[in-house]
Amino acid sequence: RKEVEQDPGPFNVPEGATVAFNCTYSNSASQSFFWYRQDCRKEPKLLMSVYSSGNEDGRFTAQLNRASQYISLLIRDSKLSDSATYLCVVNIRGSGGGADGLTFGKGTHLIIQP
Amino acid sequence: DGGITQSPKYLFRKEGQNVTLSCEQNLNHDAMYWYRQDPGQGLRLIYYSQIVNDFQKGDIAEGYSVSREKKESFPLTVTSAQKNPTAFYLCASSISPYTEAFFGQGTRLTVV
Repeated sequence: RKEVEQDPGPFNVPEGATVAFNCTYSNSASQSFFWYRQDCRKEPKLLMSVYSSGNEDGRFTAQLNRASQYISLLIRDSKLSDSATYLCVVNIRGSGGGADGLTFGKGTHLIIQP
Repeated sequence: DGGITQSPKYLFRKEGQNVTLSCEQNLNHDAMYWYRQDPGQGLRLIYYSQIVNDFQKGDIAEGYSVSREKKESFPLTVTSAQKNPTAFYLCASSISPYTEAFFGQGTRLTVV
């Protein structure tokens, strides 16, 4: 199984700053891309899907670069409540043509400081 | 409310015992997944099912078993063959294998 790689951090960022994470994936057959947020000892929750044209949801912007095989997440005007672990998720098409299930990166830990 | 329900939230078992973790969804999703997370680690896929009566091994299926007899249910059995069963187990479901997945609240299994 190909991997999804993220910088584990932690990223210590002052409140109000802009922060960006990248994630690289090694399988060019990857089909779907997502960012999830996971709080300590909780389940991951979908933050946003990542589309080829890029997409924005409020303070969050996601980009996909298929040629270089990476996705990015930008958080503007960061809030204390943004402190969490951000998981990059890729869905890979298996050798049989079906999906192999979602593959998660190990996550990037973000700490927003007052 | 629609969602995914995992039970129990916390589970303690003695070494050598099999244990079954429950996962039920009422979202009418075809695909369901089981993941394991260890402290400070990412999620690793144990098993997944794209449709009723069909399931596939993930990266770390050894020592685990599943069934998918109903669309709504995807129970995971942790057998005595699993060498390090203590972990946080997460169940998820999605409309299809290529769409976003939604998670239950997880089961923390401790084997003593």
